Amino acid sequence: DTGVSQDPRHKITKRGQNVTFRCDPISEHNRLYWYRQTLGQGPEFLTYFQNEAQLEKSRLLSDRFSAERPKGSFSTLEIQRTEQGDSAMYLCASSLGWEDTQYFGPGTRLTVL
Amino acid sequence: TQLLEQSPQFLSIQEGENLTVYCNSSSVFSSLQWYRQEPGEGPVLLVTVVTGGEVKKLKRLTFQFGDARKDSSLHITAAQPGDTGLYLCAGADGYGQNFVFGPGTRLSVLP
Repeated sequence: DTGVSQDPRHKITKRGQNVTFRCDPISEHNRLYWYRQTLGQGPEFLTYFQNEAQLEKSRLLSDRFSAERPKGSFSTLEIQRTEQGDSAMYLCASSLGWEDTQYFGPGTRLTVL
Repeated sequence: TQLLEQSPQFLSIQEGENLTVYCNSSSVFSSLQWYRQEPGEGPVLLVTVVTGGEVKKLKRLTFQFGDARKDSSLHITAAQPGDTGLYLCAGADGYGQNFVFGPGTRLSVLP
């Protein structure tokens, strides 16, 4: 399967713990996006990368959130000192270029107790 | 800020009925995508429309992009239970710097 993959699929953590999610995009795609989706809502943009450069961050991305794409391939999204409000589905998507369609991974569902 | 609105928010119909869902904005989009999402999964791309007035068909699904590229519709003919899901529209501005999703239409097709 050469689609976008995300790991883990589910994560349950206690408030205050740090968590890290991984996204592997489609191999030739230069752009990688992170979104957050809460129940009953559409995905909300968090940040995106063009190769290894992080070009835009949403105001939703507080200081506790950090994303990296060190070699322009896979990406990680870390949340420090998790809060119950961080509970959501975290989606990763990739695209070939800036005008191209985004393809989504299956998401990581985070539950903060 | 570009916003996409979708209507209706919820739709429950019987198998075999036809339906149309809408995606509207006050902004112009260079392209617009429709996705379907099932619970616990990521959105799956159905179609991308690029040209104003464009109509695309995917089996029983017909997608239309408005002439002014501000709105789109999705029509499903003879709906089946397998069509059940959250239908999301998403749009990109001309620079690809801003990609926004609508809140979705949650469709339930009852057998």
